[in-house]
Amino acid sequence: DTGVSQDPRHKITKRGQNVTFRCDPISEHNRLYWYRQTLGQGPEFLTYFQNEAQLEKSRLLSDRFSAERPKGSFSTLEIQRTEQGDSAMYLCASSLASASDAQYFGPGTRLLVL
Amino acid sequence: GENVEQHPSTLSVQEGDSAVIKCTYSDSASNYFPWYKQELGKRPQLIIDIRSNVGEKKDQRIAVTLNKTAKHFSLHITETQPEDSAVYFCAASIWDDKIIFGKGTRLHILP
Repeated sequence: DTGVSQDPRHKITKRGQNVTFRCDPISEHNRLYWYRQTLGQGPEFLTYFQNEAQLEKSRLLSDRFSAERPKGSFSTLEIQRTEQGDSAMYLCASSLASASDAQYFGPGTRLLVL
Repeated sequence: GENVEQHPSTLSVQEGDSAVIKCTYSDSASNYFPWYKQELGKRPQLIIDIRSNVGEKKDQRIAVTLNKTAKHFSLHITETQPEDSAVYFCAASIWDDKIIFGKGTRLHILP
């Protein structure tokens, strides 16, 4: 499968625990984006990378969230000390080189914080 | 920053009729406008996009129009079919920056 993949697809955790999600973009894509989507809403931008450089992080993102893309390929998103409000679908997308290139989404990781 | 408004939030049309979804954006520097379709439980999928140097683009039953002066763009679906039922998102991005999504329109195709 040459599309964007994400792991795990589902995660249930208790409040206060840390979680980490992984995204593997389309292989030749330099841009990688993380979004959060709650029920009935559009994808909300969290952060994005150009190769291994994190270029922007949403002001809505608390310090409990961190993302990396160490070798410019896969990326991880970590949430520390999870809260119930973190429950959402976390989507990853990749594009060739810029925001005006088509973005292709992964299947998402659904997080439930109890 | 950029803000994208989308209307209506819900739209019901008879099968075979046309559907129109409208979006407005706030930043005149925005130059790329994609539309995504998301079926229940699935990932958003790009269905059509338009760049600011083009006023209209068509792909079979789907068309998008852009009015840069008014800062609005619209999705038109003709001869709607049951499989068109989904949530549609418009989005806008400023040159080489991130994409901002609208809140979505839930389209119901009635038999």
